[in-house]
Amino acid sequence: AQSVTQLGSHVSVSEGALVLLRCNYSSSVPPYLFWYVQYPNQGLQLLLKYTSAATLVKGINDFEAEFKKSETSFHLTKPSAHMSDAAEYFCAVSDRANQAGTALIFGKGTTLSVSS
Amino acid sequence: KAGVTQTPRYLIKTRGQQVTLSCSPISGHRSVSWYQQTPGQGLQFLFEYFSETQRNKGNFPGRFSGRQFSNSRSEMNVSTLELGDSALYLCASSVRREPRDGYTFGSGTRLTVV
Repeated sequence: AQSVTQLGSHVSVSEGALVLLRCNYSSSVPPYLFWYVQYPNQGLQLLLKYTSAATLVKGINDFEAEFKKSETSFHLTKPSAHMSDAAEYFCAVSDRANQAGTALIFGKGTTLSVSS
Repeated sequence: KAGVTQTPRYLIKTRGQQVTLSCSPISGHRSVSWYQQTPGQGLQFLFEYFSETQRNKGNFPGRFSGRQFSNSRSEMNVSTLELGDSALYLCASSVRREPRDGYTFGSGTRLTVV
């Protein structure tokens, strides 16, 4: 069965520092992978997605993620954190192997805190 | 362009009651999915509708049901509410049944069962 593991439920960085949020997946075939962000009392906003084109994916607000098949990872990075990046981040996978691929399987989430 | 609209935003219900939540997808989006978000279980897939038919269902009891109308608007219903049903219910829409497109989520309905 598909699964997603986000390492670290809470990550703290200083403003201007590198952001690295980790995501590993398990899948029998290369899946579609997504990163979503959720601000308090709001829904999920798509940051970026991997759909088997380029392995380095660029998203909104200078976020990017690299798909590494050998490591089954899809880590999210941002070169310089901003206070407004403080939020909860979710990695998700959809299963391309069967009809259930329309459902997203989410990781438990990582809360990013940014200090000045 | 209007986003995904969910109503109401907040709801308080008593155990044993039933509740109906509404979702209006982005214009032109025909696929609507529902997710439950709780602190303990995280985000879990409830079901997906496309062209007024349920196409996919998550592992939830039969108390959770939904439907989709010809204009793609969707409702989900929870009967015989339990305390554990307290959650943020999120609706997501997409143009077609293709996950590579990504989904657009609404702001959710916060349901509290007392």
